[in-house]
Parts: sequence; C-alpha cells; structure tokens
Amino acid sequence: QKEVEQNSGPLSVPEGAIASLNCTYSDRGSQSFFWYRQYSGKSPELIMSIYSNGDKEDGRFTAQLNKASQYVSLLIRDSQPSDSATYLCAPRNTNAGKSTFGDGTTLTVKP
Amino acid sequence: SAVISQKPSRDICQRGTSLTIQCQVDSQVTMMFWYRQQPGQSLTLIATANQGSEATYESGFVIDKFPISRPNLTFSTLTVSNMSPEDSSIYLCSVQGEDYGYTFGSGTRLTVV
Repeated sequence: QKEVEQNSGPLSVPEGAIASLNCTYSDRGSQSFFWYRQYSGKSPELIMSIYSNGDKEDGRFTAQLNKASQYVSLLIRDSQPSDSATYLCAPRNTNAGKSTFGDGTTLTVKP
Repeated sequence: SAVISQKPSRDICQRGTSLTIQCQVDSQVTMMFWYRQQPGQSLTLIATANQGSEATYESGFVIDKFPISRPNLTFSTLTVSNMSPEDSSIYLCSVQGEDYGYTFGSGTRLTVV
C-alpha cells in the first residue's frame, strides 16, 4: 500500500465549478497535512496546511481532514483557469518528520 | 517563508560526467532536503542533509552516486555522479518552515545524453 494515495486524474472542471481533490494516507500518526500546487515546469508551492479534524478555509480553498478515516481533501470553489496545475498531497510522517508526497492530481479548469 | 536560490536551472550533460547542484537559503535551517522528480511523476526524497553530519539517504539512493555537502546552515550541494540517461530528471532542494510545510528551490532540470 502506498503511503499516500490521491484520486487519479486528470480532473477537468468548467470555470466557476467546484474542484474536489482527495487524498488518503497510511500513517495513522501523521499530524500535519499539506497541499501543494505545481504549475507545469515549476516547483511545488505550499498552498494549504491543516492539522486538526474539520475544515480550514482560505479564500476559495478549503482543506478538509478526517483523521479517523485517514482522509484529506482540497476543495477549490469558483475554479479559475489559473488553478490549472498538479496538486500534491503530503502528510508529515511520524518517521523523522519527513513528508511523503502523493502522485498528484492534475486539474484543468476550462474557460 | 524561506527563499531558496538553486542553480543551475538546467543543464545538459554527457554520460559518465558529474554535475553539482547548489542551493542557498536566505535563513539558517537545520535540515535541507533533496528531491528528484522524474517526468510526469511525483517527488522522491533522495536524502536529508544536516549541517555538521553525514546526510541520511533514502532507500535506493547511495552516497557514492549522490554525494551531498552541507558546510553551513544556509547552503548545500548535491552532486549527481557518473551520470547515465536514467538520471535525467528534475532535482529540487527544499527546507521546512515552522509549520513543517516545505519551501522548494526552483529546481534543476538535468538531461543526460
């Protein structure tokens, strides 16, 4: 079993729609969870972090965490073409605090 | 968050040669991380570099192939040695912030011919 599993892509949504990106993880002890956005040809950029169960909102982005189900999601409301990128989920592992990255989900927002 | 300067941004190298990638951070950090990202794939951790000690390598990566230096708290280098076309990839350095999220350098796109 992979340490981090993300929903297979690519994901395509129309402009203005809600994009839903999902991630499950195997390390039940993970305490911190991160979402990164990576534009084509660029390095990943941290966009959201979440530490406790529930929702965390930042502008059009909402991260959701369910530790019991070992599930993290990222919702992007009012999706824009500029949101088109690959999104990487990364729990912070209890093993030396390193992060293991998921394979990523590529999102395309069509005008 | 920290700002990382990474160079070179890209290089084309002959097989059998070596390339050294440099990362400079604008603040002192305890650990620096080196990742590889092969085309269309996610990030794979190569090693963790601590100042004043040997780097810790992940399974599948060895010091002879990827020697790392960490002379001070703001600088690190990764060398890709005796390169083959399979080493063609993007190499990224990164540091952790106070919230344990990563900041990445701009990456080095390596092509081995």
